[in-house]
Amino acid sequence: AQTVTQSQPEMSVQEAETVTLSCTYDTSESNYYLFWYKQPPSRQMILVIRQEAYKQQNATENRFSVNFQKAAKSFSLKISDSQLGDTAMYFCAFMKSQGAQKLVFGQGTRLTINP
Amino acid sequence: GAGVSQSPRYKVTKRGQDVALRCDPISGHVSLYWYRQALGQGPEFLTYFNYEAQQDKSGLPNDRFSAERPEGSISTLTIQRTEQRDSAMYRCASSLTISGNTIYFGEGSWLTVV
Repeated sequence: AQTVTQSQPEMSVQEAETVTLSCTYDTSESNYYLFWYKQPPSRQMILVIRQEAYKQQNATENRFSVNFQKAAKSFSLKISDSQLGDTAMYFCAFMKSQGAQKLVFGQGTRLTINP
Repeated sequence: GAGVSQSPRYKVTKRGQDVALRCDPISGHVSLYWYRQALGQGPEFLTYFNYEAQQDKSGLPNDRFSAERPEGSISTLTIQRTEQRDSAMYRCASSLTISGNTIYFGEGSWLTVV
């Protein structure tokens, strides 16, 4: 079974700073997908970024980028030039590329951006 | 529709009552998923469908929980004889293709069992 671990329950940074959220996972699969989802106070669930395990290049979406280390089973999210609107719960998630299409989520990191 | 739509958004029910939660996926999306999220936790998989066929129901906690998607579009998650421990947010999600590697979530249905 796959597991996803987010070791930082809470983080807090000043606006405009860069922050990195950690995520590790455990799997015996060779092909899979990794995701970061954002859950703001409104409790929506918003896809931030997606990484395909067979791609060596790290995914980037504007101010959001990942550091994907397949051998270490690590998938961290970097938020550059953080904004007040980035305040949210962030969940890391794993999905196998074959078989049952279900996301396995970590416990989440509560990120607060301070003015 | 523009996004995944769920109803009701909020439901308070008495212990022992049955509850039905509805999900209307994004138009054209073939796969539909149900997740449950307790406060302070990440979502947990319940079940999913490709078209009208239920592919995996391994996450349903017990036989009080069931789901259907009879016409391959709208889905209903039913909880019979609700218990207080069923209180949570129930999230529906959909994806355009069966490979499902981009999944879009609805805003969820908050269920409180009193």
